[in-house]
Formats: sequence, structure tokens, C-alpha cells
Amino acid sequence: TQLLEQSPQFLSIQEGENLTVYCNSSSVFSSLQWYRQEPGEGPVLLVTVVTGGEVKKLKRLTFQFGDARKDSSLHITAAQPGDTGLYLCAGDAWGFNKFYFGSGTKLNVKP
Amino acid sequence: DAGVIQSPRHEVTEMGQEVTLRCKPISGHNSLFWYRQTMMRGLELLIYFNNNVPIDDSGMPEDRFSAKMPNASFSTLKIQPSEPRDSAVYFCASSFWPSGDNNEQFFGPGTRLTVL
Repeated sequence: TQLLEQSPQFLSIQEGENLTVYCNSSSVFSSLQWYRQEPGEGPVLLVTVVTGGEVKKLKRLTFQFGDARKDSSLHITAAQPGDTGLYLCAGDAWGFNKFYFGSGTKLNVKP
Repeated sequence: DAGVIQSPRHEVTEMGQEVTLRCKPISGHNSLFWYRQTMMRGLELLIYFNNNVPIDDSGMPEDRFSAKMPNASFSTLKIQPSEPRDSAVYFCASSFWPSGDNNEQFFGPGTRLTVL
């Protein structure tokens, strides 16, 4: 059983469409991170959120941390082929620098 | 900086053989993590070190797995004896902790291990 559940598992969309990826848990996290991983490489950090209700924007990507700090979402506006990859959320449950990773959402943006 | 360096990038071995994976963290980082990634189980934390000391090894699957960090610039993950179910991509990551709100982990390129 995963501590963090991500949905959907797979997403294939056309360039220009919008999408939202979800990361849910029954546990409270002191912080939550989103990473993107491309084939053959390690994950790369996109953002860290630490405050319940916090919203962060990174160009076309919008990240939100749930008010209760149990869930998060990643919204991509006008997706581009360069957004293709595996998106992973990771939560630090007790603030001790130990992160649990979600199952991942594999995104494919077709030109 | 060259980033986190892992070697080898690919390893193919036969069941029962000893496998040693190596990691050089980013200079100045004080935390080092070993992860395993498979399609079935995703990215799992195996063990992490802080200031060269193992802090949490609860993710190490069994006694066949061991990890060491003899100094701040080098760590190894050893599997002895290896089994086909150990086939996975093994990632090493490093960070500086605490670092405020960010706590970014920098991942290496991974070692793809295949046990026949």
C-alpha cells in the first residue's frame, strides 16, 4: 500500500490541452514535493510546498497543497511535448528529511 | 559541479553473484539516500545517511542488502547474493539538510541492475 496515491496513473493528451494530476493521502505531511522524471534519468525537483492551502506557480505549472496538508495537485496549462515525463509527488511526514514517493503519473503530450 | 555520480550505469549479473553499486554525492551535501525504482513498486527509499551515519534503513528489503558511507564523498550499496527480483533501477540522491523550506534532493542517473 502506497502512502501517497497519485491519479491518474497514465495520461495521454494533445498539445495545448490542460490537465490536472492529483496526489492524495490519509496522512498529514510537513512538506510535499513534486518531481519530474524523464526516461533514463533521475527525478528532478519542480517545487516544494509547506503551508496548507499554498499555491505555487512555475510558468505553466500550478501546484496546490491541500488545506489539511494531506493532498496536492499539479495543473498544467497548455501542455507541450516537452512536458512529457513521469510526475512524482513526495511527502515528508515528520519533517525528518525522509520522503515517501507516490506511484507516479506518466504523462504523454502528443504534438 | 558534476552532480551526483553513480557507477556502473548498467549491471547485468547472474543470480547468486555479489553486486556493488557506487555513489559520489554532491560536494557539501550532508544527506545521502539510496532508492530503488520498479514498475510494480515505484520509487522506494532503501536507506538514508546523515553526516555519514545511517539514520533509517527500514526500507532495506532483507539482510542480503547492505549500505556503507565511509566518508562524505562516497557510498556503496551491496547485494549479496543477488536474486532476479532485485532487478530494478537503483538511484542515489543527496541533499543538504536542513535547508529551509526546499529540502531538494538531487538524484543521480541511476544504475540499471539486471539479475538473470
